[in-house]
Formats: sequence, C-alpha cells, structure tokens
Amino acid sequence: SAVISQKPSRDICQRGTSLTIQCQVDSQVTMMFWYRQQPGQSLTLIATANQGSEATYESGFVIDKFPISRPNLTFSTLTVSNMSPEDSSIYLCSVINTGSGEKLFFGSGTQLSVL
Amino acid sequence: EDKVVQSPLSLVVHEGDTVTLNCSYEVTNFRSLLWYKQEKKAPTFLFMLTSSGIEKKSGRLSSILDKKELFSILNITATQTGDSAIYLCAVESGGSNYKLTFGKGTLLTVNP
Repeated sequence: SAVISQKPSRDICQRGTSLTIQCQVDSQVTMMFWYRQQPGQSLTLIATANQGSEATYESGFVIDKFPISRPNLTFSTLTVSNMSPEDSSIYLCSVINTGSGEKLFFGSGTQLSVL
Repeated sequence: EDKVVQSPLSLVVHEGDTVTLNCSYEVTNFRSLLWYKQEKKAPTFLFMLTSSGIEKKSGRLSSILDKKELFSILNITATQTGDSAIYLCAVESGGSNYKLTFGKGTLLTVNP
C-alpha cells in the first residue's frame, strides 16, 4: 500500500492569509486527489491533480481559491487562498493504488482552523 | 447527482454490543462500494464490495452488499472502545473517470 505524508498536520491561520499543504507519496502515482471535510460533513472532492496538466476542479471549487501544483508523480501541493473561517476543515490528499484490493489511500490530513 | 446516505448518523453503545451501520446509494454506473474507518483525520480502508451477497469479513467486522436494493451494511460484533470512530461509506461510480462519492458517516461511540 502507498504511504502518503501530508504536512502540516494542523495549523491555525488568520483570515485573508494563504496556506500551502504538501503531499508526498512513496511511489509514483498517476492520479492524486484533494478532499475537504468540513465539520460534521462528508468528504468532498476539491480537485484531481494529474502530473503535467492542470488540475480538474469539481463544481463549487475554483483554481484561484485552491491552486494546485503537481510537479512530478510523487508530490502535490494544495493552497487555500485568502482564507475565511468557512475554510476551516480537514484537508486530505489521496491516491489510487490499483495494485491492491484497497482503491483509495489517504494522507494523514491537515486540520485547518481560520480565525 | 450521485448520492450516498448513511444511517444512523450517530450511535452510542456499550462494550460487547453488536452494531449494524447502513449505507444506501443512488449512483450512475456503480463500480464498487467501500467502507472506511476515520478515527482522527485520515480514513483507513476496511472493505471494498463489488458483488451482491458475498460477505467480506475481517475479525469482528463484516460487510455485505445488495446491488438490487442498493445498500450495504457494516456489522461490528463484540464492540470495543477502540471501535469508536466515524465509519464512512463511499461509492465508486462513473465511466473512465474515477469518481468516489462519500456519505456523511456514522459516528460510533463505544462506552466501557
């Protein structure tokens, strides 16, 4: 199974600032996904990040607010820009490993609180 | 729009009890149903189900899928305090693009 390191683990930020979350995988993967989980809510897909192309954003999420980089097959970043308290959530990166029975692996998550 | 509904949303039991968690879904082009356990931030994988009527089992946990009635259940027998977590159901659907829709989860609390 893939090992996914995500950092920071948690952060408390002021509104109007930006935070970049990093996701490192121990093997090369084609597709990486970024999810958000607001308090008491389901996991919601923000975007799919493929190496060498622009990320594909889901309805309700835009690149200006959540810019994503995918410079190679093992690394990706998600930036939460111009933060407001509504951005307080758990952010999770994930990858698919089709080589095992487990389809989707998750990183350790980033707990973001915006004051 | 794809939809995954879990029930109950929360559940409090005593150690040793048996619990059943429910997941119903409405999706286009169903491919598989997955169960995850979320204790802190990162969900960890429990089961993947693709065929109706075949029980998946791991220790005290088991799960089964009914593709005709569009639901799955997750059973936990002889619950322990370590089973306290959010249990998430997710359904993989779609054609060539990977798509996973999550339910809101069931918060299980097991008291000693």
